[in-house]
Amino acid sequence: EAGVAQSPRYKIIEKRQSVAFWCNPISGHATLYWYQQILGQGPKLLIQFQNNGVVDDSQLPKDRFSAERLKGVDSTLKIQPAKLEDSAVYLCASSFRSGSYNEQFFGPGTRLTVL
Amino acid sequence: GQNIDQPTEMTATEGAIVQINCTYQTSGFNGLFWYQQHAGEAPTFLSYNVLDGLEEKGRFSSFLSRSKGYSYLLLKELQMKDSASYLCAVSDSNYQLIWGAGTKLIIKP
Repeated sequence: EAGVAQSPRYKIIEKRQSVAFWCNPISGHATLYWYQQILGQGPKLLIQFQNNGVVDDSQLPKDRFSAERLKGVDSTLKIQPAKLEDSAVYLCASSFRSGSYNEQFFGPGTRLTVL
Repeated sequence: GQNIDQPTEMTATEGAIVQINCTYQTSGFNGLFWYQQHAGEAPTFLSYNVLDGLEEKGRFSSFLSRSKGYSYLLLKELQMKDSASYLCAVSDSNYQLIWGAGTKLIIKP
């Protein structure tokens, strides 16, 4: 079974530029998560999708971050414009369902450096 | 507020046993997860506890006390490949995972 795919793996941009990350979850997984992980910290949930609907985006900085999952499968996370403090690893995860025992499977992440 | 506390870093010797503690205060409780994260890699699932007691899985065991808001991950017969960060995460009343900052475990020969 293929795992969660993410691209690109690394990205370096200047502040105020825009960037987009792509994620393809495990086949059949209805729930998709985007996390931001700053070095030395645990993952911080940015947005959670159930199929193509948003379940939780309370910690997504909506003035600069956006995400979509149009067909309920793969997803894109965009940052526009980027700030220095956005430098982090962006992790995508998926689970078969939400609710109890929602073991999440993570992709390899995208390491973003904003200069 | 919601809070997960873990030690920042621990050091242990190859072949020994180490216990990584996690205390939590969350709005509701629907289970506690432990994940392992090697440097530069994604977290991978280790264990899940929702009832009090000990869950054993090979060299790894995880314990939960809901009344104390406390869990630990026990690693036996430590190997060099166990050097990683160990993340504690609690599923709250909305089934959202609240993550700790992780414990960096350093294994010495």
